[in-house]
Amino acid sequence: DIQMTQSPSSLSASVGDRVTITCRASQSISIYLNWYQHKPGKAPKLLIYGASTLQSGVPSRFSGSGSGTDFTLAISSLQPEDFATYYCQQSYSTPWPFGQGTKVEIK
Amino acid sequence: QVQLQESGPGLVKPSETLSLTCSVSGGSVSSVSYYWSWIRKPPGKGLEWIGHIFYTGTTNYNPSLKSRVTISLDTSKNQFSLNLTSVTAADTALYYCAREFRRGTFDYWGQGTLGTVSS
Repeated sequence: DIQMTQSPSSLSASVGDRVTITCRASQSISIYLNWYQHKPGKAPKLLIYGASTLQSGVPSRFSGSGSGTDFTLAISSLQPEDFATYYCQQSYSTPWPFGQGTKVEIK
Repeated sequence: QVQLQESGPGLVKPSETLSLTCSVSGGSVSSVSYYWSWIRKPPGKGLEWIGHIFYTGTTNYNPSLKSRVTISLDTSKNQFSLNLTSVTAADTALYYCAREFRRGTFDYWGQGTLGTVSS
């Protein structure tokens, strides 16, 4: 199976900061990479699919980039509602594993 | 707006079967455009895809769970269900149902239901 590794596992940041999260696949997955935001007690939310396509309704401060094995999620200016856990997930081959998550906390 | 809601017993004994149902509103499980998936998150661990079903009844399961999982569809009730047999404490998790709008990509999720395995 393809393994997905996210870094960092957690980070502290302030409102207004630029934040980047990295996801690495154990083998090439082209651009079959998705990003989700998850808040406790809520449904996970799809932010980006196909490595860089913003899901409808997602603010433009979120962006995704990368291809092959290395991918990045960027938040250009962190807002209070962005404090959450973020997961990458490959949709190249089943069983479509997720990364272990990156928790974004308030500094 | 598509909404998904999981339901089922929260507590199951070891070796028994965990049965959960996902009720879909604002969309149809009979749609030719989507698969319907189950995903879980054990405490302190990451998300794990369990399997999915298409309106034809075609299923695909995570190999790590394949021998114990069955996903089924009830089009009359616009629901789909998960059965996980021979459960152990390792199956304790938040269980989510989700719509798969493109291959392996989940655009709508339920809020999750806790499935606890304990005697």
